[in-house]
Amino acid sequence: GAGVSQTPSNKVTEKGKYVELRCDPISGHTALYWYRQSLGQGPEFLIYFQGTGAADDSGLPNDRFFAVRPEGSVSTLKIQRTERGDSAVYLCASSLTASEGNTGELFFGEGSRLTVL
Amino acid sequence: QKEVEQNSGPLSVPEGAIASLNCTYSDRGSQSFFWYRQYSGKSPELIMFIYSNGDKEDGRFTAQLNKASQYVSLLIRDSQPSDSATYLCASRNTGGFKTIFGAGTRLFVKA
Repeated sequence: GAGVSQTPSNKVTEKGKYVELRCDPISGHTALYWYRQSLGQGPEFLIYFQGTGAADDSGLPNDRFFAVRPEGSVSTLKIQRTERGDSAVYLCASSLTASEGNTGELFFGEGSRLTVL
Repeated sequence: QKEVEQNSGPLSVPEGAIASLNCTYSDRGSQSFFWYRQYSGKSPELIMFIYSNGDKEDGRFTAQLNKASQYVSLLIRDSQPSDSATYLCASRNTGGFKTIFGAGTRLFVKA
C-alpha cells in the first residue's frame, strides 16, 4: 500500500554534521507534519505544512532545524550542526485537510531514527 | 503546563478487565481529540476520535469527552494482552491542523 514513506530508517552521524531526513506522504494528503519522539515520550510537534507552505513551525527547537516542501508533496527535514540531544526518532505524518467528513486523522511513517555520536 | 497531560503509567490490568486511560488538555480552543495506540518500536495508529461532549463507542473502545472539565478518557473493555501498548492522547484546534500529543500512558494487560 502507498503509505507514508520515510528515509533513511536509521541514520548515525557525528556531532556537528548536517543531516537530511525525507518524507513522502500519502498521495493527495495536503497536510504534512514532522514530529520528534524520544524514548518514553509522546511525539513532540515540530512543524506542519499545508501544501507548500509551513503553516506552523512553532515547534522547531532552534534555527538549526529547517524543513521544506517545495512541491507540496515530499518534505525534507534538515538539521545543521547536529548535537547529541538531537538523537530521537523523527516521525512524519500526513493527513487530508480537516473538513466535514474528514477526521483529520494522522497517518504516520515508520520514522527515521537519528543517532548523533 | 503541558498542553496535553497524561499519566505515564504503567497501568497494569488483568486480561478481561476494563482499562481506563485519562487525559486533560489546557487549550479551550481544542475541538477534536484523538486516541492513538503505539506498539513498542512502531508508529502511532489511530483508534478513536471524538469531538462532541459525551461518549463514543467503537467495539471494545469507548472515548469520553467533557469539554467543561477539559477531560478526555478512553475505556477498553475486555482487555486483551494484545492491547498492551502506549496510548497517546492528542488534541487539535478547529480551523487549524496542529495536533499536539500527550506523553502517553503505557498499558500492560496480564494474561
